[in-house]
Amino acid sequence: GAVVSQHPSRVICKSGTSVKIECRSLDFQATTMFWYRQFPKQSLMLMATSNEGSKATYEQGVEKDKFLINHASLTLSTLTVTSAHPEDSSFYICSAFLTGTNEKLFFGSGTQLSVL
Amino acid sequence: RKEVEQDPGPFNVPEGATVAFNCTYSNSASQSFFWYRQDCRKEPKLLMSVYSSGNEDGRFTAQLNRASQYISLLIRDSKLSDSATYLCVVNDQAGTALIFGKGTTLSVSS
Repeated sequence: GAVVSQHPSRVICKSGTSVKIECRSLDFQATTMFWYRQFPKQSLMLMATSNEGSKATYEQGVEKDKFLINHASLTLSTLTVTSAHPEDSSFYICSAFLTGTNEKLFFGSGTQLSVL
Repeated sequence: RKEVEQDPGPFNVPEGATVAFNCTYSNSASQSFFWYRQDCRKEPKLLMSVYSSGNEDGRFTAQLNRASQYISLLIRDSKLSDSATYLCVVNDQAGTALIFGKGTTLSVSS
C-alpha cells in the first residue's frame, strides 16, 4: 500500500544548528503534505500545509522563517528547523493524502528532535 | 477556535473489560470523523472511520452523534495489546488537514 517515508527518525543537535527533515511519498504523488508537531502528552498540532510548487500555508503562531518548508516535487516535502533551540525539541511528523482520496491520510514515522 | 476535546485519562482496566471513550468537537460543519491509535513516539494509525449510522469492527464500535457533536469509541473484551493512546480526529473539509484531540490513554493490565 501507499507509504510515506520520513527521515531521519531521531536527531540530537546543538542549539543554534539547523535540522532538515524529509518526507517522501512512495508509489504515489502528493500535491499536499501536512507537518505536525507533538509535545509530550499533547495532541498533534498542525504546523503547516505544504503545497507542491507553491508556498506553504502556516498555522497561526508558527514562524515561517524558523520552520522552512520546501515542496519542490510531488513526492518530497522538507521541513527545516533553522537555528534550533531547546524549546523546539519535539516529535515532528508529516502526512500526505493519496491523490483522489479524501478520507485516508498516510503518516510518516515521525522525527524526534532533541536540541541540547 | 476549532477544537476536539477528549478526556485524557488514563483509563486503567483489566483484561476483558469494556471501556468507552467520548470526544466532542466544536465545528458543527465538520465532515469526517475518525479514531486513530498512537503508540508512544510512533505515528498515528487509523483505527476506524466513524459514521452517523455507527460502525463496528470486531471488538471496536464507533458512534457519531451530529446533533450533540460527539463521537464515541467502545472497546469490548480489552486485550493487553489495546494499551495505547486513542486519538479522536475530525476533518472539517475534504483534502484539508485533520484536527486531532489530545488523546485518551488506555492501559490494560492482566
